[in-house]
Amino acid sequence: KQEVTQIPAALSVPEGENLVLNCSFTDSAIYNLQWFRQDPGKGLTSLLLIQSSQREQTSGRLNASLDKSSGRSTLYIAASQPGDSATYLCAVRPNSGYALNFGKGTSLLVTP
Amino acid sequence: DGGITQSPKYLFRKEGQNVTLSCEQNLNHDAMYWYRQDPGQGLRLIYYSQIVNDFQKGDIAEGYSVSREKKESFPLTVTSAQKNPTAFYLCASSWTSDTEAFFGQGTRLTVV
Repeated sequence: KQEVTQIPAALSVPEGENLVLNCSFTDSAIYNLQWFRQDPGKGLTSLLLIQSSQREQTSGRLNASLDKSSGRSTLYIAASQPGDSATYLCAVRPNSGYALNFGKGTSLLVTP
Repeated sequence: DGGITQSPKYLFRKEGQNVTLSCEQNLNHDAMYWYRQDPGQGLRLIYYSQIVNDFQKGDIAEGYSVSREKKESFPLTVTSAQKNPTAFYLCASSWTSDTEAFFGQGTRLTVV
């Protein structure tokens, strides 16, 4: 069964720092990988989707990379802001399945 | 506005009672999903549906039931057989099972 791990579980940084969130998965047979943001008590907001044939995707201050062969993805956030404070979730869609397998998330706090 | 609407936002269930959570989407997506989220755990798949009148069990389907009579609707019933139903329930949809997934705002169910 596909296992998805996110490190660190929690992270606190001062405003303005660049930061990297990590996601690893045990089975490289994936169709795509998706990064989400979740605010407390809210649903998930899709940030970036990377297909298995792609190496990275960018949206504004966010950049996500994918190294399928090593089972790793990173989410890079440039010039962090207090509004970036949230939980970030990584999810992979396996080739053999129909739904996403999620990590437990990284809780990010950006302090003014 | 296109999106996924879950209702109610909060729901309270008495012991031995069945309750139904609503999920409606106007994105014209074929695939729909129900996930359960508990503190400190990743999202776990309850049921998914790839097309109308078809649905499949996920990892934790026991004590739950669904129907998919219309493309835009995928209600989830939490039955009395579900012994620990207190959780945050999230509905999602996508064009197909391998495209970007979008989520609703969730329903928080509490047993009283």
